[in-house]
Amino acid sequence: GIQVEQSPPDLILQEGANSTLRCNFSDSVNNLQWFHQNPWGQLINLFYIPSGTKQNGRLSATTVATERYSLLYISSSQTTDSGVYFCAVIDRYGNKLVFGAGTILRVKS
Amino acid sequence: EPEVTQTPSHQVTQMGQEVILRCVPISNHLYFYWYRQILGQKVEFLVSFYNNEISEKSEIFDDQFSVERPDGSNFTLKIRSTKLEDSAMYFCASSGPSGSYEQYFGPGTRLTVT
Repeated sequence: GIQVEQSPPDLILQEGANSTLRCNFSDSVNNLQWFHQNPWGQLINLFYIPSGTKQNGRLSATTVATERYSLLYISSSQTTDSGVYFCAVIDRYGNKLVFGAGTILRVKS
Repeated sequence: EPEVTQTPSHQVTQMGQEVILRCVPISNHLYFYWYRQILGQKVEFLVSFYNNEISEKSEIFDDQFSVERPDGSNFTLKIRSTKLEDSAMYFCASSGPSGSYEQYFGPGTRLTVT
């Protein structure tokens, strides 16, 4: 099945810093979503982005489908951005999301 | 904005007991899913459901698990005889009409088996 790799596994930032999280996938995809898992365990849907670029406030994402990667940018980070960021994809053949292992982000004040 | 809801938010049960986790998907969605996340691990697919039948299931989804859409709004996951290793966060998700692959997740049910 499709493989999803996220990097870095852990990231510590000072409040106000910018960061880039990466998601590589091994096959063509019909769907790519970025999630933020908050301290209560809820999965917050950040972006649905199988291709192209989207922005939402301080967050933006770019997926280059032909090169099989996606990037999540966080600018001017805040302590509330802390948590785990997951990338998940659906390949051409199925309809289930396959999740990466996540990036644990800690923003220090 | 429509959202997926799940009940209960937290369930504690004894090993061997049956549990039913409930979900109300977004009303015009056609595809329904259950995922689980063992503490500290990645989110794993369990089962997908479309047109009143299972469309795909993972190897985790064995005979102890079943899903049902008992009426027009609820979608349930039943675990017949819980084991300690079933302790996890269980997420329900739904997606819209054909051609839309975006999945919307509920807040999850944390299941603790003692």
